[in-house]
Amino acid sequence: QVQLLQSGAEVRKPGASVKVSCKASGYNFIDYYIHWVRQAPGQGLEWMGWINPNSGATEYAQKFQGRVTMTGDTSISTAYMEVRSMTSDDTATYYCHAVLESTGTPYFYVDVWGKGTTVTVSS
Amino acid sequence: SYELTQPPSVSVSPGQTATITCSGDALSKQFGYWYQRKPGQAPVVVIYKDNERPSGIPDRFSGSSSGTTVTLTISGVQAEDEAEYHCQSADISGTYVTFGGGTRLTVL
Repeated sequence: QVQLLQSGAEVRKPGASVKVSCKASGYNFIDYYIHWVRQAPGQGLEWMGWINPNSGATEYAQKFQGRVTMTGDTSISTAYMEVRSMTSDDTATYYCHAVLESTGTPYFYVDVWGKGTTVTVSS
Repeated sequence: SYELTQPPSVSVSPGQTATITCSGDALSKQFGYWYQRKPGQAPVVVIYKDNERPSGIPDRFSGSSSGTTVTLTISGVQAEDEAEYHCQSADISGTYVTFGGGTRLTVL
């Protein structure tokens, strides 16, 4: 079945970086964008950006431009999201997310999320 | 940045109807999506493209759109529907995604 498998929890000190991985299975990785979304404690969902795994093209929310990099390795169907220069405000659960929708028939719509990666930034 | 506005909380008794709205200028041009999130779990889509319900989502969940507002309606609310509900859409260009602040649904 369609799945996104994320890497495990991380703890970092302020100023450090973290790189979270998201391995896709059950579908053709290059056919659908991967989005990254985070949720800080007590806060709502926050969209960070997307990557087109086929071309490597990316778009980032303005808030994260220059501090976040999204990449993909098509050989292992895995997307990555790196956050640099982290502060305690980056403490959150980070999710990868994909929407698989057909462009023809038969129609299908599959919305899949990873289980989330908890990143804690603390001195 | 583009914003979507939701009420922070809605409370209903079991069996009643819950209505959650989401407003944003681009909603007149872009589809709205609704996600349910329960503690410790990843979000689950309950409505996509304004009013489409994914397979496996109970038919008590429905969505509608009018002008710059999309609405999630849960008819005959059950205790298991208690969760946070987040609307999501894109800016007018369709490039940048945004979420509303989330609405906590409490079943009394």
